[in-house]
Amino acid sequence: DTGVSQDPRHKITKRGQNVTFRCDPISEHNRLYWYRQTLGQGPEFLTYFQNEAQLEKSRLLSDRFSAERPKGSFSTLEIQRTEQGDSAMYLCASSWTGPEDEQFFGPGTRLTVL
Amino acid sequence: AQSVTQPDIHITVSEGASLELRCNYSYGATPYLFWYVQSPGQGLQLLLKYFSGDTLVQGIKGFEAEFKRSQSSFNLRKPSVHWSDAAEYFCAVGALSSDMRFGAGTRLTVKP
Repeated sequence: DTGVSQDPRHKITKRGQNVTFRCDPISEHNRLYWYRQTLGQGPEFLTYFQNEAQLEKSRLLSDRFSAERPKGSFSTLEIQRTEQGDSAMYLCASSWTGPEDEQFFGPGTRLTVL
Repeated sequence: AQSVTQPDIHITVSEGASLELRCNYSYGATPYLFWYVQSPGQGLQLLLKYFSGDTLVQGIKGFEAEFKRSQSSFNLRKPSVHWSDAAEYFCAVGALSSDMRFGAGTRLTVKP
């Protein structure tokens, strides 16, 4: 399968710990997006990359969150000093460049902060 | 500010019945509109999208949606629902990919 993959699928951590998630996009896509989805809500945009450049970050993204896409391929999302409010599903998507291009979503990483 | 409202949190329909899921949006410019479906444990899948042109858009799995600018709506329809259509449906709006905003979703239950 050559879709978007995310690892891990589930992560349980204690408050104050750091966590890192990985996203592998569809190989020919140059845009990569991160979203957060809480129970009963739609995905909320966090940030996106075009190739290795991080072009936009949501105001929702606190300083504890950082994302990288070092070689324009896979991306990592790190959350430092996790809080219970960080518990959510973190979704990754990839697409071609244009705004009309479909975003293909991965299955998500479910984070639980105890 | 752009926003999307899906007024129905949960809808139940009988298999074979018709379906309409409502979506209202607020956007300052001509929007790009999308409907996605999310099944448990699965990623979001695009059903259809509207950018311009014909206001009636055909999508996958027999779904269609109609853009009504005067009503700021983009309702999703299907003439005959199948049990496999049970899922969460999200409407989204944006002009740039980074601006995409999703509604809170409508959960569809299909009765046998």
